[in-house]
Amino acid sequence: GDSVTQMEGPVTLSEEACLTINCTYTATGYPSLFWYVQYPGEGLQLLLKATKADDKGSNKGFEATYRKETTSFHLEKGSVQVSDSAVYFCALSDNTGGFKTIFGAGTRLFVKA
Amino acid sequence: DGGITQSPKYLFRKEGQNVTLSCEQNLNHDAMYWYRQDPGQGLRLIYYSQIVNDFQKGDIAEGYSVSREKKESFPLTVTSAQKNPTAFYLCASNRDPSANYGYTFGSGTRLTVV
Repeated sequence: GDSVTQMEGPVTLSEEACLTINCTYTATGYPSLFWYVQYPGEGLQLLLKATKADDKGSNKGFEATYRKETTSFHLEKGSVQVSDSAVYFCALSDNTGGFKTIFGAGTRLFVKA
Repeated sequence: DGGITQSPKYLFRKEGQNVTLSCEQNLNHDAMYWYRQDPGQGLRLIYYSQIVNDFQKGDIAEGYSVSREKKESFPLTVTSAQKNPTAFYLCASNRDPSANYGYTFGSGTRLTVV
């Protein structure tokens, strides 16, 4: 079945460092891909999305490109801030029926001042 | 502002007790979902509903029940048959699953067995 694999955390960075969180997926068909962010004690918020190969999603300085050839959707940011400390979830949405979303295990990011 | 409201934020359940978690949305979304989140794990789907008066089991439906009598409301009951209910429960909605808008989530209910 479909699945999403994220790099294990926690990831600890200093402020203004570059961020990459790896995400790879397996899916039949052509899924849509998403990144969600969860701040402590809260629900998830949609950060960005891409619906077809080579699409780039971007929001709040974060970017991710849908790479069909490597089945990847890595999250990147050029300069992180303390306020970016959160858990990040990669997800895919099955477009072939049922429309269920499958989430990765999440990657916790700590940014130090 | 539109959104999803989950209540209560914290809930304590005694052994053998049924409890109901509330989820209300004013986004006019057709599809609604319940997920369970355990530490270090991703979200697991409990139930989902794509239209009023219809719902389907997700991957871990045993010990849970839902209803969808109104478009705005999708309550989840955790029954005594759920042997390990301590978790963070998230309700979500989607404007149109086929159009890949992504989910809107509530702020969650943390359920603890005492």
